[in-house]
Amino acid sequence: GDSVTQMEGPVTLSEEAFLTINCTYTATGYPSLFWYVQYPGEGLQLLLKATKADDKGSNKGFEATYRKETTSFHLEKGSVQVSDSAVYFCALTHNTNAGKSTFGDGTTLTVKP
Amino acid sequence: DAGVTQSPTHLIKTRGQHVTLRCSPISGHKSVSWYQQVLGQGPQFIFQYYEKEERGRGNFPDRFSARQFPNYSSELNVNALLLGDSALYLCASSLDAFVVIYEQYFGPGTRLTVT
Repeated sequence: GDSVTQMEGPVTLSEEAFLTINCTYTATGYPSLFWYVQYPGEGLQLLLKATKADDKGSNKGFEATYRKETTSFHLEKGSVQVSDSAVYFCALTHNTNAGKSTFGDGTTLTVKP
Repeated sequence: DAGVTQSPTHLIKTRGQHVTLRCSPISGHKSVSWYQQVLGQGPQFIFQYYEKEERGRGNFPDRFSARQFPNYSSELNVNALLLGDSALYLCASSLDAFVVIYEQYFGPGTRLTVT
């Protein structure tokens, strides 16, 4: 079956540091890939997505590139802020069923001033 | 526009009891999915409903059931509650069940505690 593996956390960075959160996946076919963010006490918010190989998703300074050859979708940001502190989830969805996503276990990011 | 709403926000139940969780999708969205998020883990898919029919079911026991109403709102029912059912239950809605570019929008969740 499908699976998503994220780098283990928690990750603690200083403000303005570079962020990378690794995500690899196992799936048949060509799923779409997503990064979601969850702030304390809230539901998930879509951060960015990519629907085919070599696509780059980007939003709010975050980027991730769909790498089919390495089955990866690593999240990056050049300069993190305290407000980026949250839990980040990598997920995949097959185009045949848009309402069923497989999630990784999440990576907790804490950014210190 | 209102986002996905869920009720109740928090719930405490005793082992063996039954619980009903409710979800109202974004207006115009016909697909509703339910996920269970245990503390420290990612959401796990439970059910998806589209146009009032079950479109998908995750690896959960028959104690879990759901339905979707004509107005596209949905209920998740869990019978014979176990301690392990304690989790955040998330509802997500999307315009369509088949087109992945129509992203899922998540509600804030219902926190269920089973004692």
